[in-house]
Amino acid sequence: GQNIDQPTEMTATEGAIVQINCTYQTSGFNGLFWYQQHAGEAPTFLSYNVLDGLEEKGRFSSFLSRSKGYSYLLLKELQMKDSASYLCAPGGYQKVTFGTGTKLQVIP
Amino acid sequence: DTGVSQDPRHKITKRGQNVTFRCDPISEHNRLYWYRQTLGQGPEFLTYFQNEAQLEKSRLLSDRFSAERPKGSFSTLEIQRTEQGDSAMYLCASSPETLGQFFGPGTRLTVL
Repeated sequence: GQNIDQPTEMTATEGAIVQINCTYQTSGFNGLFWYQQHAGEAPTFLSYNVLDGLEEKGRFSSFLSRSKGYSYLLLKELQMKDSASYLCAPGGYQKVTFGTGTKLQVIP
Repeated sequence: DTGVSQDPRHKITKRGQNVTFRCDPISEHNRLYWYRQTLGQGPEFLTYFQNEAQLEKSRLLSDRFSAERPKGSFSTLEIQRTEQGDSAMYLCASSPETLGQFFGPGTRLTVL
C-alpha cells in the first residue's frame, strides 16, 4: 500500500524561499515525482528523483532520501504565479501514487 | 499541439445516463493512465495500459466503469448508469517507459 504525508496548506511571501516536505511509505518504490497543479487545471511535471540527493532545476529543487522515505520541494524567489498545489508522488516502475497535495499561497 | 488531449473538456449528464470520454496520448508514449480527481484531493489511480493491454485496474473502478485502448493509441473511459458520486475531474496521462507522466487537460464530469 501507499501512505503519503505532506502539509495541507502553506503561505509564503513573494521573493522568499519555501520548502514543501513529503514523507512516504510505499511498496515497489522506484522514484519520486513532484507535480504542480493550478486550480482547475491538470498537474504539470516538475521533477523526478531516483537517487538520493538534491536535483536543481532553475528556481525549483527537489531532494530525496530513500532510506528515510522523505522528499522535499524547494521553491526559491517565489512569484505570485507559484500559487498552486504541489503534489508529491512516489512511484514504482509502472505507476505513481499521488498525495493530496500542498496548497501554496504566495502573498505580496 | 503534441501534448495529451482529452475530449470533451466538460460533460454534464443526468443520473443514470452513460458517458464516454476520450484520451489521445502523446504519440510515442506507450503507457496511458486514467485518474479521477475530486476537489482537495490528489489524482486517484483508476487504470493503466501498456500499449493495448490493460495491466492494472484500481478497486475504485466499479463494474460500471470500463476502459479500452483498442489499437494502443487513443483510449476511452466509459461510465455506465452514472451516479452523483461520479462527479469529478477525469484525467488522462501518458508516459514513455521510465519518465514522468504527462497529463491531459482533463474532462470535468457533473452528474445531476
